[in-house]
Amino acid sequence: AQSVTQLGSHVSVSEGALVLLRCNYSSSVPPYLFWYVQYPNQGLQLLLKYTSAATLVKGINGFEAEFKKSETSFHLTKPSAHMSDAAEYFCAVSSGGFKTIFGAGTRLFVKA
Amino acid sequence: DARVTQTPRHKVTEMGQEVTMRCQPILGHNTVFWYRQTMMQGLELLAYFRNRAPLDDSGMPKDRFSAEMPDATLATLKIQPSEPRDSAVYFCASGLDNANTGELFFGEGSRLTVL
Repeated sequence: AQSVTQLGSHVSVSEGALVLLRCNYSSSVPPYLFWYVQYPNQGLQLLLKYTSAATLVKGINGFEAEFKKSETSFHLTKPSAHMSDAAEYFCAVSSGGFKTIFGAGTRLFVKA
Repeated sequence: DARVTQTPRHKVTEMGQEVTMRCQPILGHNTVFWYRQTMMQGLELLAYFRNRAPLDDSGMPKDRFSAEMPDATLATLKIQPSEPRDSAVYFCASGLDNANTGELFFGEGSRLTVL
């Protein structure tokens, strides 16, 4: 069985500050891991994905995530937050069966 | 610009009425997922299909919900009878069953309000 835990339902940062959104996963098989972003009244969009290649994955809008198998983590970071980054972020896990399970989401607030 | 199309975008109905939500996946995609999003439960996987065959609908209340893919260009999610607790945003997503990607493409959702 697979599961995803996102630590912190809300994260607030100042514009220009580091963004760190935490995600831990559980999977009985080597996982594929994803981060998606959701803006108000829209569907989810893929930010980045890990599929067993490089452990440091770069995505769109300056985001990146590092897969750490020993910690079963896939935390999302961005060096400098921008106002436009305010949204809800979802970590997700899937296995070879393609079934994708999402975490509860973390809402990011960016203060001016 | 390929996208997943969902209809209706908004639906308000009364308890007991039948609700049907439709999804047109991206042409060429062979997997389709239905998710329900609420404040309390987050994103819940209701059902998913591969090559039009249902693979897993364990997340769906069987007594009132049904999901089908009449053809490769249409997926439907039906609720009969609807209840206030079904109020949520229902998302359809499609993808290509490829071990190198696994990316899902989401529609904009159908916001359902059951009074």
